[in-house]
Amino acid sequence: SAVISQKPSRDICQRGTSLTIQCQVDSQVTMMFWYRQQPGQSLTLIATANQGSEATYESGFVIDKFPISRPNLTFSTLTVSNMSPEDSSIYLCSVGTRVTDTQYFGPGTRLTVL
Amino acid sequence: KQEVTQIPAALSVPEGENLVLNCSFTDSAIYNLQWFRQDPGKGLTSLLLIQSSQREQTSGRLNASLDKSSGRSTLYIAASQPGDSATYLCAVRRFQGGSEKLVFGKGTKLTVNP
Repeated sequence: SAVISQKPSRDICQRGTSLTIQCQVDSQVTMMFWYRQQPGQSLTLIATANQGSEATYESGFVIDKFPISRPNLTFSTLTVSNMSPEDSSIYLCSVGTRVTDTQYFGPGTRLTVL
Repeated sequence: KQEVTQIPAALSVPEGENLVLNCSFTDSAIYNLQWFRQDPGKGLTSLLLIQSSQREQTSGRLNASLDKSSGRSTLYIAASQPGDSATYLCAVRRFQGGSEKLVFGKGTKLTVNP
């Protein structure tokens, strides 16, 4: 199994500012993903973080709002830009090695935008 | 587009009771199905992974079944305990929108009363 850490664990931010969330994995992984969980809702995939190239975004999510970096096989960042209260959510990093294997999730970053 | 439905949305049972959580999905072309547990404000813990060729998986008091042809999975919890109280999420992995991804249900919130 993979051990995933995220920083920060939570934050309270002002409208219009940006926050960068870090995801660190204890081993090299093929696949890294970023999810959003809005209050009372299930998980929605934001994007797949690709090592050495631009992330692949899901419908409804754009790079200008959620820029993602993945410089190597163990680390990724997600930035939530120009935040509004609607961005208040839990943001989760997730990793996997193959499609047939278990996908693991980090502890999440709880973001509140005032 | 794959849709995943979990019934019931919430369930409250007395300690010691055996219970079943249900998950259904609309498209049977899946790689596998995963059951997760989420405690309030936390990340996801993987419970069981069932490959598309398998019928069931067991871990301790948990047993998950998969009927791919009918688009159904169940999670059976034996002798429930208050510590089992959490939200249980079902997710299917499938090829969608150009890549493999997990598609989540909205979860079943389980409360086990002492």
